[in-house]
Amino acid sequence: EVQLVESGGGLVKPGGSLRLSCAASGFTFSAYGMNWVRQTPGKGLEWVSSISSSSFNIYYADSLRGRFTISRDNAKDSLYLQMDNLRAEDTAVYYCARGNYGDLNSWGQGTLVTVSS
Amino acid sequence: ETTLTQSPAFMSATPGDKVNISCKASQDIADDMNWYQQKSGEPTILIIQEATTLVPGIPPRFSGSGYGTDFTLTINNMESEDVAYYFCLQHGNFPLTFGGGTKVEIK
Repeated sequence: EVQLVESGGGLVKPGGSLRLSCAASGFTFSAYGMNWVRQTPGKGLEWVSSISSSSFNIYYADSLRGRFTISRDNAKDSLYLQMDNLRAEDTAVYYCARGNYGDLNSWGQGTLVTVSS
Repeated sequence: ETTLTQSPAFMSATPGDKVNISCKASQDIADDMNWYQQKSGEPTILIIQEATTLVPGIPPRFSGSGYGTDFTLTINNMESEDVAYYFCLQHGNFPLTFGGGTKVEIK
């Protein structure tokens, strides 16, 4: 069974940083592209970033490029999202999702990030 | 960027009803459209991929149709367990974009 478990969310002040992790199990992690998506009640679902299986191809939402960095460690079956210079509008539930070229087929349950002073 | 316009935002259905949810793309995305179901406290699940393909394990009362710019998710014979938030995703090009979502409730 495919399992994706996000962690690392929490409360952070504006301008602060967080690193999200996603632990994968139940499939060959190194064979799949991975993605981060976020969701807020007001703005709905927003794609954040995608990384190919070998990390060769990386994509970011234009509005986030420069502040967020996606990475993965295939030896640890883990996906990461480094988030710097956080803003109030980054407050959201962040999901990791498996899928090549954005064809998302499995999702985690999400981790809540709250940016507030 | 491909904009997805999903409608309706909310619907209330009677058990046994046929439910149609629309997703219109601002440009041709061929069949690069997926549909998802989201229930509170549960992982989001893929129900339709490539516009028309039912994911294994999903009840056959769910179906998808469309190609290019107009897509529809249909629930035949609505059941109480189908109460959920449904949304579409286009993966034909980056940035990936989502529809605004549809909250489906039971009358």
